[in-house]
Amino acid sequence: GEEVAQTPKHLVRGEGQKAKLYCAPIKGHSYVFWYQQVLKNEFKFLISFQNENVFDETGMPKERFSAKCLPNSPCSLEIQATKLEDSAVYFCASSRNPPGAAEKLFFGSGTQLSVL
Amino acid sequence: KNEVEQSPQNLTAQEGEFITINCSYSVGISALHWLQQHPGGGIVSLFMLSSGKKKHGRLIATINIQEKHSSLHITASHPRDSAVYICAAANKAAGNKLTFGGGTRVLVKP
Repeated sequence: GEEVAQTPKHLVRGEGQKAKLYCAPIKGHSYVFWYQQVLKNEFKFLISFQNENVFDETGMPKERFSAKCLPNSPCSLEIQATKLEDSAVYFCASSRNPPGAAEKLFFGSGTQLSVL
Repeated sequence: KNEVEQSPQNLTAQEGEFITINCSYSVGISALHWLQQHPGGGIVSLFMLSSGKKKHGRLIATINIQEKHSSLHITASHPRDSAVYICAAANKAAGNKLTFGGGTRVLVKP
């Protein structure tokens, strides 16, 4: 597609429940990035993929968070046993070239996760 | 001290005024991004620059690599420019991961 498509827009989970977020990158973009935005302006890098391979996972919490990008499927970010502190907006972005190359990132509209 | 600092945090301007937002960073970068986050939450990439100056419509972005400083200027501001503007540095030492500034909330009054 011509835009990064994230679903769902909003997700409400009770503490301890699983949450799964999806991201379809722009067609032809090989790199996918997940960011977590807490408190409106604090962005944290979580993980990036080059096609279906993990490119950089240094921002991923070791427990409870996992992510995949499988061929012919949207990428996904899954949180097992959600906690209150996981409440945030999760943004996905994609690019054609690797990080540091001279090009913009294209962002999805985000998924607002509320853990109650 | 944060690796990427923005100023001001908030800015209110009258329609037509010239607006400047500043971004200073302490890390080595491969590029600096300026992003616009709309009130509804969506993020648009405005500029990606590694040197000099770029212009798009009423927006101008400059960067001084030696001084580790970038500015975003909005000329002839309009209420539709009201948004949060975020600079993000592609941190060379961290595999070019983006390190984000805290954002500048801009309100342009008619």
